[in-house]
Amino acid sequence: QKEVEQDPGPLSVPEGAIVSLNCTYSNSAFQYFMWYRQYSRKGPELLMYTYSSGNKEDGRFTAQVDKSSKYISLFIRDSQPSDSATYLCAMSKAAGNKLTFGGGTRVLVKP
Amino acid sequence: GAVVSQHPSRVICKSGTSVKIECRSLDFQATTMFWYRQFPKQSLMLMATSNEGSKATYEQGVEKDKFLINHASLTLSTLTVTSAHPEDSSFYICSATKEGIGPQHFGDGTRLSIL
Repeated sequence: QKEVEQDPGPLSVPEGAIVSLNCTYSNSAFQYFMWYRQYSRKGPELLMYTYSSGNKEDGRFTAQVDKSSKYISLFIRDSQPSDSATYLCAMSKAAGNKLTFGGGTRVLVKP
Repeated sequence: GAVVSQHPSRVICKSGTSVKIECRSLDFQATTMFWYRQFPKQSLMLMATSNEGSKATYEQGVEKDKFLINHASLTLSTLTVTSAHPEDSSFYICSATKEGIGPQHFGDGTRLSIL
């Protein structure tokens, strides 16, 4: 079993819909949680960075962390075709430590 | 802020050639940089952690004599793939953290093709 599980998708939504992404993990030592967006043939781009449990909002993006359930989520409001990409969750045990990634979810936002 | 530049973006070379990839933090000092490899439709696989002024720490199964890492300054780390073979063809990506803490910021990757 992988340390971090993420549904590979693809997740197809119409433009304007809310995109809901999530990851589950098994190691309770993870403290820092990140979401990255990766376009084809590009490096991952940081979207959200959170510490421990709670919610964080940044523009159209909302990240949620529930450490008791070992479950993290990313919501994208008012989705646009330009949001079509692969979304990777990542987590680490301490600040600046190496990351453990989920396998990525491919998202398609249709005009 | 937090821009990481990787060069070159694309390399095509013959088998047996050594290839050097550069990773630079443009607007911050990076005491720690990371090197990843990514196969098509797969997630990132950490190869090694590079600390400025010291030897890199390699993940299990990664040949340190094959993948030479140098982190000589707070803004530059290099990965050299020595005597590259077709099986080394992949997408190599670096990342860096500001002052060794905070999230990792990634470069745009280097697509390496060995003929």
